Order: sequence, then structure tokens, then C-alpha cells
Amino acid sequence: AQSVAQPEDQVNVAEGNPLTVKCTYSVSGNPYLFWYVQYPNRGLQFLLKYITGDNLVKGSYGFEAEFNKSQTSFHLKKPSALVSDSALYFCAVRDEGYQKVTFGIGTKLQVIP
Amino acid sequence: KAGVTQTPRYLIKTRGQQVTLSCSPISGHRSVSWYQQTPGQGLQFLFEYFSETQRNKGNFPGRFSGRQFSNSRSEMNVSTLELGDSALYLCASSLSGPGRGNSPLHFGNGTRLTVT
Repeated sequence: AQSVAQPEDQVNVAEGNPLTVKCTYSVSGNPYLFWYVQYPNRGLQFLLKYITGDNLVKGSYGFEAEFNKSQTSFHLKKPSALVSDSALYFCAVRDEGYQKVTFGIGTKLQVIP
Repeated sequence: KAGVTQTPRYLIKTRGQQVTLSCSPISGHRSVSWYQQTPGQGLQFLFEYFSETQRNKGNFPGRFSGRQFSNSRSEMNVSTLELGDSALYLCASSLSGPGRGNSPLHFGNGTRLTVT
């Protein structure tokens, strides 16, 4: 069975500092990995997805994600945080066998002015 | 291109009643998935449809059911509502189908269901 872990319920970072939101996964076979963001009272918005062979993937709003196969991780990063980045972030995985998309529990990012 | 549309936006029902939620996917998307979001459980997968066929199903009781129409629009139904069914129900569409599992999901803004 596939699974996703987001070990931090909340991440606090000062505006202008780099941010990292952690994600580890477990699937049989090669993974399809995604990051989504959710603002209050809204649905989830797609940020980026893993592309086979690219260890660093760039996405929307200056976000990027680092894929590490040996550590089965797909951490979300941004070089300089903005207050407007404060939101709930979800990591998701799907295996090649076209199983359901499984989401992590979510990490609340708080960017402090 | 219009996004995913979910109706209604808010619903208040009493225990024992049933409810039907509607989802219109992005034009051209043939896959529709449903998720239940609660503060304690995160996003729980309900079911996924592709070309009117249920492709995947989550671990929810039979009170939760869904269907997809030939125009890709989808509905989900919850019968005999319980207090624990109070949640945000999210619908997502994608180009995903067998062989395109890396297509991202595009979510609607959800239907907030409150059961009293």
C-alpha cells in the first residue's frame, strides 16, 4: 500500500528566509509525486510534480521540490518566503499501477513578517 | 477555461437525511475523484471515476456512493447521514486515466456539509 508522511504539523519561518516542508513516501514501483497548496475555504491548488530523472523540480510561485530516491523524500522548498505563502501544504503520491492518489496529513506553513 | 465547479457550496442537513453533491469537471477531463477533508483526518479518498466507470474506491461505508455521467459530470450521494459525516467534500478532475497517472488533480472549492 502506498503512503505519504509529512512529519511536521506546522512550520514557522521568517519572511525572506528559505523554507522547507518535508515529505517522505512509500510506494511499490516508481512514484508519481505532487505538491498542492490550500488557502482557507478553498480547494487545493497544484504547485508542482516530480518528473522522472529530475532531482530538482520547479513549480508555481517560486516553489521547487527536491527528489531523493534513496531517502524516498520529496521536500518542498523556496529560497525566500513571503507572508502570502502562509497556507496548508499537501504532499501526494500515486504509483504507476494507477492506484488512488494518497495525500499526506498536511503541513501548515506560517511565514512571520 | 472554467475550473472545477462544485454545488452547492454549503449544506446543512440533519441526521438520517440523505444528500447529493454535484461536480462539473474541467472541459476535456474524463477523470473525477472525490475526497473528504476533516481537520483530524486530512484528505480521505472516497472514489475515482473515469469514463463513467469507478476505477478506485476508498474505505468508506456503503452509505457513500457516486456516479459519473457521459459528459463527465459526477455526483456523490450520502444516505442516512451521521454527525461524523460533517466535512468539506472536495471534487477533483484530471486528464488521468490508465497510462496517465502523473496528471495533476484540479480541485473545486468544495461543498461544506454540516450534519446536525
